[in-house]
Formats: sequence, C-alpha cells, structure tokens
Amino acid sequence: GAGVSQTPSNKVTEKGKYVELRCDPISGHTALYWYRQSLGQGPEFLIYFQGTGAADDSGLPNDRFFAVRPEGSVSTLKIQRTERGDSAVYLCASSFIGTTEAFFGQGTRLTVV
Amino acid sequence: GENVGLHLPTLSVQEGDNSIINCAYSNSASDYFIWYKQESGKGPQFIIDIRSNMDKRQGQRVTVLLNKTVKHLSLQIAATQPGDSAVYFCAENSRGGGADGLTFGKGTHLIIQP
Repeated sequence: GAGVSQTPSNKVTEKGKYVELRCDPISGHTALYWYRQSLGQGPEFLIYFQGTGAADDSGLPNDRFFAVRPEGSVSTLKIQRTERGDSAVYLCASSFIGTTEAFFGQGTRLTVV
Repeated sequence: GENVGLHLPTLSVQEGDNSIINCAYSNSASDYFIWYKQESGKGPQFIIDIRSNMDKRQGQRVTVLLNKTVKHLSLQIAATQPGDSAVYFCAENSRGGGADGLTFGKGTHLIIQP
C-alpha cells in the first residue's frame, strides 16, 4: 500500500501477557519511529530507527519495551509483562532520513485488562 | 493558547473564517517546529514545519509564524472548511531535521461551525 500500515488495529490483552505490534513503513523510507498516544494527549516518542539499528531509544519507558527492525523495513514493537498503564494507541511513522515530514499509520489501540 | 505543557482544548470557528491556533514552547534549543493534524481514529498528518532560523512559512491555506523571543508558534488556516475539523498538535524537535524525539503538545480541537 501507499501508506504506513500497522497491525493489528486493535489488541486486547490480559495484564502480564506479552504482545507484539507490527509496522510496515512506506517503501524506501529508512527512518522509522514509534510513538504512543494516551487518550486526550499528544503522541509521546518511544524509539527511532535508521535502517536496521535503533538510533535513539531514549523514549522507551522501561526494559519491558523493546523494538526491532531486522531487515530495515518492517518493525515490531514488543511489550513484555503488560500493565494496565500500557493501554494506549501505539503509532508508527516513517520518513526519509533528516526530514520532519513523517507519515504516521493509523495506530494499534492496545487495551490491557 | 497551547503550550507543549498547557492546552486550549477547543476552538470553534465559522466555516469560511480564518482560524488561528497558538502554541507556546519551552525548549529554546528546539530547531524545528511542526504542525500536525489528527482526525478521529487516524494517525497525525504532517501539515507544515518551520526551522528556528525562520519566522514565517506559508503553505496551501496555512501559515506558520514563529516568535522565538517569546517562544510562541501559531498556525493560521485561511477560509476554514468542514474538512479542517480535527485536533491540531504542535511539536518541537531539538535533534536536527528529522522526526526523531518530537515533543508534542496536548492538542487543540478545531471545530468548524456551518
């Protein structure tokens, strides 16, 4: 497709479970970003990839959160031992390196019950 | 106005009028400022950005003004249309020209009255 694709669109999980969220960026975009957005708030930065490597993971809240991008395209955000406070919309964006014009996907709404 | 800190929750304007959405920022080291539009159930959509060495930039029906003296940013939308109804976020970046580590404000909900 032409845009950033995120799957699943919705995920409900039980507290303590492990989840994986997937992002397919726009073809050719080497920069990929994960943000999360709580209700009524602006997005909050999590991690930034240049190609396969995490260039900036300073936004990851703790070691339960991890993300990979093994081939420099698709990325997976992994959350271990989920907590109710992890409930949010997880947004993925991609862009060419060095541009502020990042294109966001529709997000994955994660609900931890 | 909105602060990357405080926010003005809702702005209601008549269709066809001009809208002005304000944003105050606190990080004097920020070198890029970006406006995003977010419609319900969708991800943010880039509108326009401005570098810290500029004070005005124009796009299609939109103008962004930057006042570094008072750390204030505004987005002007000319001749607002129903499709402009959305939440608007300002974001700042102190890490160069990318979208890495953007700090977003809480957003202003723009409502267009018919």
